[in-house]
Amino acid sequence: EVQLVESGGGLVQPGGSLRLSCAASGFTFSSNYMSWVRQAPGKGLEWVSVIYDSGSTYYADSVKGRFTISRDNSKNTLYLQMHSLRAEDTAVYYCATSGYSSGWPNFDYWGRGTLVTVSS
Amino acid sequence: QSALTQPASVSGSPGQSITISCSGTSSDVGGYNYVSWYQQNPGKAPKLMIYDVTNRPSGVSNRFSGSKSGNTASLTISGLQAEDEADYYCSSYTSSRLVVFGGGTKLTVL
Repeated sequence: EVQLVESGGGLVQPGGSLRLSCAASGFTFSSNYMSWVRQAPGKGLEWVSVIYDSGSTYYADSVKGRFTISRDNSKNTLYLQMHSLRAEDTAVYYCATSGYSSGWPNFDYWGRGTLVTVSS
Repeated sequence: QSALTQPASVSGSPGQSITISCSGTSSDVGGYNYVSWYQQNPGKAPKLMIYDVTNRPSGVSNRFSGSKSGNTASLTISGLQAEDEADYYCSSYTSSRLVVFGGGTKLTVL
């Protein structure tokens, strides 16, 4: 069974930093493209970033230059390092990946999310 | 990148069919057969309902179907049921190798 478990969320002041983690199991982590998707309270979904199995990375314009996605295949863990956080970054952050049949850029599997609140 | 355009809300009675549209550009929806649809219930993670415009993941009811014409994709739900009431989001791959979501549509089953 595929499981994605996010952690690391919390309350942070504007301008601060935070690192999110996503522990993956139940599939060959090293072979999958892994993404972060966020959802501000009461708002819609916003794709944040992807890291390919090759290590290539892509970012939404709204976070480019502030967020860094990375992966540790030896630990089956995905990360999102967030710097220069703003109030508008407040959201539930989901880790997501595709299934064998669907592939990128589809998200068959999602974690439960971790809440990041940026406020003074 | 701009969000894809979806109607804020749609409604229908049990047994009816409804269609949710998702409008983009030739750089996303119109340029690739990589449109997905997600269902999200309150407090839950999204669930993939349609991928690659028309394909249903295993376990998704065949009452859900997807299509695309030009820069607009559509999700149709036939034989509407109370359990279909949820928020629905489309997404598309883009020419910049990114993913963009629609603003979401709230489906109300009357």
